[in-house]
Amino acid sequence: IAGITQAPTSQILAAGRRMTLRCTQDMRHNAMYWYRQDLGLGLRLIHYSNTAGTTGKGEVPDGYSVSRANTDDFPLTLASAVPSQTSVYFCASSDSAYNEQFFGPGTRLTVL
Amino acid sequence: GQNIDQPTEMTATEGAIVQINCTYQTSGFNGLFWYQQHAGEAPTFLSYNVLDGLEEKGRFSSFLSRSKGYSYLLLKELQMKDSASYLCAVRDSNYQLIWGAGTKLIIKP
Repeated sequence: IAGITQAPTSQILAAGRRMTLRCTQDMRHNAMYWYRQDLGLGLRLIHYSNTAGTTGKGEVPDGYSVSRANTDDFPLTLASAVPSQTSVYFCASSDSAYNEQFFGPGTRLTVL
Repeated sequence: GQNIDQPTEMTATEGAIVQINCTYQTSGFNGLFWYQQHAGEAPTFLSYNVLDGLEEKGRFSSFLSRSKGYSYLLLKELQMKDSASYLCAVRDSNYQLIWGAGTKLIIKP
């Protein structure tokens, strides 16, 4: 693989179900991010990780959790999905918080 | 609060020049980024400004005035493939990116 991959590409989920969105990068970037993108709004940061073993909350963290066990992987978990979490989710990485971010292809999630 | 403003949509003609403006009010400033996003795809990095002035990169240029909280992206010799959304983002005092809603650019032949 080259760059950032996300899985699944799209998913329809029943409300109340648990879901994990996967993100893997092979660029050995230290920092990783999860955003959601909704029509008419800018990208909003959900959670971030500046380095393996550390995570932080972004602008809209409620209902989401993350872990960063190693450099390459940064999964995002919705513990109990709600319809307002219907969105396109992008994972991104950068070699530091000071540099540009590179984005994965996105996951389109629909919660019914 | 933090705010990034961009026009929602702009239309331009193939071969012409277009300027997309971005104004911002953020808690701190550690640089401004422009990204391009084609429909259904991921954002891709275009340019970065941290000091006042113009940064030129081929057909694309980006300008920054920190005192005015203002930036613009200038696209020259427009091509049909430039039809996309253009996202302005400011890195704040916590080194997190604050994003505008994006400007959808429509190129007509």
